[in-house]
Amino acid sequence: GAGVSQSPSNKVTEKGKDVELRCDPISGHTALYWYRQSLGQGLEFLIYFQGNSAPDKSGLPSDRFSAERTGGSVSTLTIQRTQQEDSAVYLCASSLELARPSTDTQYFGPGTRLTVL
Amino acid sequence: AQKITKTQPGMFVQEKEAVTLDCTYDTSDQSYGLFWYKQPSSGEMIFLIYQGSYDEQNATEGRYSLNFQKARKSANLVISASQLGDSAMYFCAMSEGGDMRFGAGTRLTVKP
Repeated sequence: GAGVSQSPSNKVTEKGKDVELRCDPISGHTALYWYRQSLGQGLEFLIYFQGNSAPDKSGLPSDRFSAERTGGSVSTLTIQRTQQEDSAVYLCASSLELARPSTDTQYFGPGTRLTVL
Repeated sequence: AQKITKTQPGMFVQEKEAVTLDCTYDTSDQSYGLFWYKQPSSGEMIFLIYQGSYDEQNATEGRYSLNFQKARKSANLVISASQLGDSAMYFCAMSEGGDMRFGAGTRLTVKP
């Protein structure tokens, strides 16, 4: 596709269940980013990938959160034992590369709205 | 780590007038990028404009321009000739490396 795609667009789950969110970056983009946006709030950086590698995982809120990327393309963000405070929109973005990170424009997907009951 | 330290929570502007959205930031790095994104009610994040820390000229993109004052660590977004469709949340962000840090956002309302 032409842009970043994410699935599902909406996910409702029960507290304690695991969820998996998927991100498909723009073809050819080597860098991929995950953010979380709670209702009415700004974006909270979670993690980024350069290729399949995530150099810094300190942005993940807890050890219930994990992310992986395979083949330098699709990424999945997994939340185990979901809690109500995990409810938010999870946004994925990609950029061409990280070689010059401070100049790289990130292009965002439409997000996944997660609701934990 | 870099961070956006101040943005206004809300702004109002009359249609066809210009408006400035403030952004101040903090960083100890000399090399960084500053970005503005627009988020309409649909939720998508739309890239508007970029300014590099070493760029000597202020960035411009159509009706958007960035008033970059490096010594003051400010990167204000100027929207000229406001349109009703400009009503949205606007986020200032900066990146020193792989992570991009966003401010809390400014809700802009354009009045007819």
